[in-house]
Amino acid sequence: GAGVSQTPSNKVTEKGKYVELRCDPISGHTALYWYRQSLGQGPEFLIYFQGTGAADDSGLPNDRFFAVRPEGSVSTLKIQRTERGDSAVYLCASSYGDTFEQFFGPGTRLTVL
Amino acid sequence: GENVEQHPSTLSVQEGDSAVIKCTYSDSASNYFPWYKQELGKRPQLIIDIRSNVGEKKDQRIAVTLNKTAKHFSLHITETQPEDSAVYFCAASLSDMRFGAGTRLTVKP
Repeated sequence: GAGVSQTPSNKVTEKGKYVELRCDPISGHTALYWYRQSLGQGPEFLIYFQGTGAADDSGLPNDRFFAVRPEGSVSTLKIQRTERGDSAVYLCASSYGDTFEQFFGPGTRLTVL
Repeated sequence: GENVEQHPSTLSVQEGDSAVIKCTYSDSASNYFPWYKQELGKRPQLIIDIRSNVGEKKDQRIAVTLNKTAKHFSLHITETQPEDSAVYFCAASLSDMRFGAGTRLTVKP
């Protein structure tokens, strides 16, 4: 695959449910980022991985949000006990390093009813 | 943490005119400043970036200037075309990346 891919493209869930969002970065990219974008806003930083470890998770809004990247490639963003305010487009991006161009995936649109 | 402010929030210009979007950042350690263009329903796409050791960079109709002392950077688009219409985001990065709130640019034919 040439670019960053994200699955699913759309996810509708009910308040209180658990969801997992997946990101497949560009092969060889060591850095992976998760963002959340609400309508009319810029991407909001959530977490940044360098390899397998979370280098900076200061953007995660609370302990309901968690992300992993166990093998340094694919990453999963996990949201527990979803709330209506979690509804947004979740974007993933990857790059060769933290001051290199980030390539964005198409995003997952999460709707919490 | 880093805080990025972007102005204006909306900008409307006539085709052929220039457009300027300005951003300020708070963390003097930030060293990478990209600009992204996002069309409706699409992912952000990098259009130009600048690093802290450079004051200006140009790519055809697009240029970016950086003033590290004042902690601000600007995007300049010359000879605007209708297809330049989109939302533009600035960002500042040291390791994590923080985005501005965006500027909706409309180029009227």
